[in-house]
Amino acid sequence: DTGVSQNPRHKITKRGQNVTFRCDPISEHNRLYWYRQTLGQGPEFLTYFQNEAQLEKSRLLSDRFSAERPKGSFSTLEIQRTEQGDSAMYLCASSNGDSPLHFGNGTRLTVT
Amino acid sequence: QKEVEQNSGPLSVPEGAIASLNCTYSDRGSQSFFWYRQYSGKSPELIMSIYSNGDKEDGRFTAQLNKASQYVSLLIRDSQPSDSATYLCAVLYNFNKFYFGSGTKLNVKP
Repeated sequence: DTGVSQNPRHKITKRGQNVTFRCDPISEHNRLYWYRQTLGQGPEFLTYFQNEAQLEKSRLLSDRFSAERPKGSFSTLEIQRTEQGDSAMYLCASSNGDSPLHFGNGTRLTVT
Repeated sequence: QKEVEQNSGPLSVPEGAIASLNCTYSDRGSQSFFWYRQYSGKSPELIMSIYSNGDKEDGRFTAQLNKASQYVSLLIRDSQPSDSATYLCAVLYNFNKFYFGSGTKLNVKP
């Protein structure tokens, strides 16, 4: 069990640029979740996959956000035309069935 | 939207005391309940899971669940300065959706 891996750890980008984050879940976990967390708040659900199928996407997520999980393995989260309000910690987590979530170290995004 | 409510704190306790953290949730259909600890700038790490009414103990931690009253609590005995962190309550709904509270910040004073 090597844990959930996220890359990069930090990303600084200018407003209007596109960014992509990667998450490698625990290998035997079939579910993968993306959350966003801002200072003083709990993780906010963005989307989740069961194997390669994206089963739910938060209504709070604008069309600038897209996520994929090809072949049910790693996942990517892309944000197009970044805005300053996108600055946050992006957390990936995986689980098996209804077992607890195991989080990666997160990607901290700063949009200048 | 499923609500998970926590007092944001900070909760300050002296070293060696018992820290009591509380959480309420809105949906009676919630099945599983979790406590996570989050240090500043780090990601959440799982401390406890609880699935049925009553108490569950693991070392210095005890989780308590009361589904009728829709609350979950976490007790930390013999609190240590290293326990100072934000504690997140999480609730699983519909076997696939995890909702989080905003967390309670705990300060343990030496």
